[in-house]
Parts: sequence; structure tokens; C-alpha cells
Amino acid sequence: DVKVTQSSRYLVKRTGEKVFLECVQDMDHENMFWYRQDPGLGLRLIYFSYDVKMKEKGDIPEGYSVSREKKERFSLILESASTNQTSMYLCASSLMGYVPVNTEAFFGQGTRLTVV
Amino acid sequence: AQKITQTQPGMFVQEKEAVTLDCTYDTSDPSYGLFWYKQPSSGEMIFLIYQGSYDQQNATEGRYSLNFQKARKSANLVISASQLGDSAMYFCAMSNSNDYKLSFGAGTTVTVRA
Repeated sequence: DVKVTQSSRYLVKRTGEKVFLECVQDMDHENMFWYRQDPGLGLRLIYFSYDVKMKEKGDIPEGYSVSREKKERFSLILESASTNQTSMYLCASSLMGYVPVNTEAFFGQGTRLTVV
Repeated sequence: AQKITQTQPGMFVQEKEAVTLDCTYDTSDPSYGLFWYKQPSSGEMIFLIYQGSYDQQNATEGRYSLNFQKARKSANLVISASQLGDSAMYFCAMSNSNDYKLSFGAGTTVTVRA
């Protein structure tokens, strides 16, 4: 069974803390993505990576960074957490296919982060 | 930059009826893929259906079909014979060959009434 696992389901952090959200996939996928989901805004792409040590900015990268040292692991880092980063964070992975081949993304269960 | 638009924040549908969820997209890349995902209240993201930009026929998967109108840049999802379990948020998404980004729309909440 394919799996994308996020390290925490719920997380509460204080303003100014450095926060790490971890994501691991066991499908040998090249692509990995981090999104945040807010009501009325859908899923907004923060960063994605198509290879180890490679990263690309998504639509809302400000205040975030990422790390991909191993193919199976993609970490999202909030350098100094702020209350406006309170959100649901979703990680996903997919094969590096040549669009328009179907490159369905598989998602983790999400991390509900609250910054107080 | 690619953009996905879902203009219906919420919809109600009677059980056993069909419902159409709108999705329009914008890209200059001729090679792209379109996806629909379902997110029930439990929060998991469930892949439903895929359409490639060069596919000649509309995609179908069981009760789901994708009404692909390339010239209009529209990829509407049709759910036939709605069931109570179809109540969820539905997201349209697109990936193109330029950068492999997977971008999502704002979503549509569907509520199926008995």
C-alpha cells in the first residue's frame, strides 16, 4: 500500500519558534510537494522538489524553507513561526512522469499547525 | 503561470441525481494534465480522475466523468447518481510539462441530501 507519512497530525508551537514538518514517502517518487490548506483558498503550493537537493518555490514560499537530503524525505521549515502560519499542511508525492502522462499525487494525512 | 478556477464554493444535490462541478484552467503549455481529488471531512485526499491534454476522449471512472473542453479550457467533473458518501470537498488540479508544479483550485463543497 502506497504511503506518504507526515510526522505529526497536530502541532502547537509558539510565535518565533523554528518548526520542522517532516514528510516521508515509500514509493520511490521523484516529486514531492508541500501545500497549506486554508478555508476558501484551497491548496496553495509552498515548495516542491523534483530530485534530491533540488527545490522550487511554489506560489507562497515566503516564511518557509525546505530540505530534501534523501529521496524519500521532504521537510518543511518555518524559520520563525508566526500566527498567520496557523494552517493545515499537506505533503504529497508523485512520479516524475512526462506530462501529460498521469502523474497522480499521493497525499499524507496532513498536519494541523497552530501557532500561538 | 498556471491557474485553476473553481467558481462554485458550495453545492447541494439530491441523492441519486447528477451534479457538475466547474473547473477552468489557464496555461500556455500544450502539454498538461488535469486531476480531480475528493476530500471528505476526515481530511484525506482521494484521487478521482485524470485527463491528459492530448486525450481525445473524456475520462471516465465509474460514476465520475470529466467533461473536457480544451478550447474553452474547462475540465468539469460530473458525478452521476449521487450518494450520501459523495458529500465532500472537491478539488481540481493541473500539472504541466514546463515545471511539474501541481496547482489546485479553491475547491467546491458538495452536500448530498437524502
